[in-house]
Amino acid sequence: DTGVSQDPRHKITKRGQNVTFRCDPISEHNRLYWYRQTLGQGPEFLTYFQNEAQLEKSRLLSDRFSAERPKGSFSTLEIQRTEQGDSAMYLCASTQEDSSSYNEQFFGPGTRLTVL
Amino acid sequence: KQEVTQIPAALSVPEGENLVLNCSFTDSAIYNLQWFRQDPGKGLTSLLLIQSSQREQTSGRLNASLDKSSGRSTLYIAASQPGDSATYLCAVPYGGSQGNLIFGKGTKLSVKP
Repeated sequence: DTGVSQDPRHKITKRGQNVTFRCDPISEHNRLYWYRQTLGQGPEFLTYFQNEAQLEKSRLLSDRFSAERPKGSFSTLEIQRTEQGDSAMYLCASTQEDSSSYNEQFFGPGTRLTVL
Repeated sequence: KQEVTQIPAALSVPEGENLVLNCSFTDSAIYNLQWFRQDPGKGLTSLLLIQSSQREQTSGRLNASLDKSSGRSTLYIAASQPGDSATYLCAVPYGGSQGNLIFGKGTKLSVKP
């Protein structure tokens, strides 16, 4: 396991369509985060999981967004009825929560979403 | 509310120069601070993480310092190379050591040969 992976790397869709992204964290990491990044901005937090439990959701995560981590391993982020404002880079990060770790977050390559 | 600011927004230097990137945060009660590098259209690569009890961390030509009391961190890059050209982001966790990260907007560095 060499790092966090995300699939697909790029997604182009038409407004109103549903899209789903996948994130595979570093295998021993129990915490997984989703962020969104628009051009010229730093990433903004969307949601995070501790194992399979979704513990926090940002106000940025409207009801069109849903995320799951069914077995505490990979996670999916679904956007329903996409809007042009959803166009962004979606980033996934993971970390290991334990007393000996530095809680360093490691990021994947991101999924670039373009909504036409 | 924690806010992170990075100055300058962009920086262009000739190859070989030493340079400093700045990061400031409004709430000094942080657990750690992380510096990242981002190449265009790519994800984030973690460069250095400084724990709140540390004053600095070094990795190769990179040195990051942390002054919690003044709400500042700096990333020093020695002997810059064209391959260092990228956007550099700093981030602090929100609400605890494992909280989601609050990012600055980054400094876009261009190192010219």
